[in-house]
Amino acid sequence: GAVVSQHPSWVICKSGTSVKIECRSLDFQATTMFWYRQFPKQSLMLMATSNEGSKATYEQGVEKDKFLINHASLTLSTLTVTSAHPEDSSFYICSARDPGKEKLFFGSGTQLSVL
Amino acid sequence: QKEVEQDPGPLSVPEGAIVSLNCTYSNSAFQYFMWYRQYSRKGPELLMYTYSSGNKEDGRFTAQVDKSSKYISLFIRDSQPSDSATYLCAMSAFLNYQLIWGAGTKLIIKP
Repeated sequence: GAVVSQHPSWVICKSGTSVKIECRSLDFQATTMFWYRQFPKQSLMLMATSNEGSKATYEQGVEKDKFLINHASLTLSTLTVTSAHPEDSSFYICSARDPGKEKLFFGSGTQLSVL
Repeated sequence: QKEVEQDPGPLSVPEGAIVSLNCTYSNSAFQYFMWYRQYSRKGPELLMYTYSSGNKEDGRFTAQVDKSSKYISLFIRDSQPSDSATYLCAMSAFLNYQLIWGAGTKLIIKP
């Protein structure tokens, strides 16, 4: 079946550095990908919708200059957390829509810890 | 008031029991209803997808939607320890995947 690959699965970084997370659709072309963050024991919060070839649409309250999203190809979207701070520590999850199956598939998530 | 309410649990039941998980919602425009299972530190995986009202069955899982009551349920029959996970409901008004999520219910199946 369709698979969405997300890397890295976990990352530890120093405060002030930038971290890039990759989300790839392995066997389908994803025109739309979504980025979420999830705090412990809480549900997924949609951060932004990433459309191939155009600017991402950010949810209210999400800083677009801090969370840079690039969807340069139909199989790859990246989320870069710039100048990370400890409060950015969270579980980040991507999902990709398979238009051929009208289904949403999720990556395995990335646990970010900012020291 | 949140758009989607879901009891976070934890819900602990013995192996073999029937499990009932529920969500309520306030937006009458929701038409697409999903249940996802999420293991610890993993991405969610789709279990059931229902459009509008009615029941849908898939193996040990049954999803029910009652739009008049704005209430959805997921039933798990013959529960197994491997079913222990967090179950999230999600819904949307359009098939554009702008999902509104419940908080998730942590389910524990005791051997």
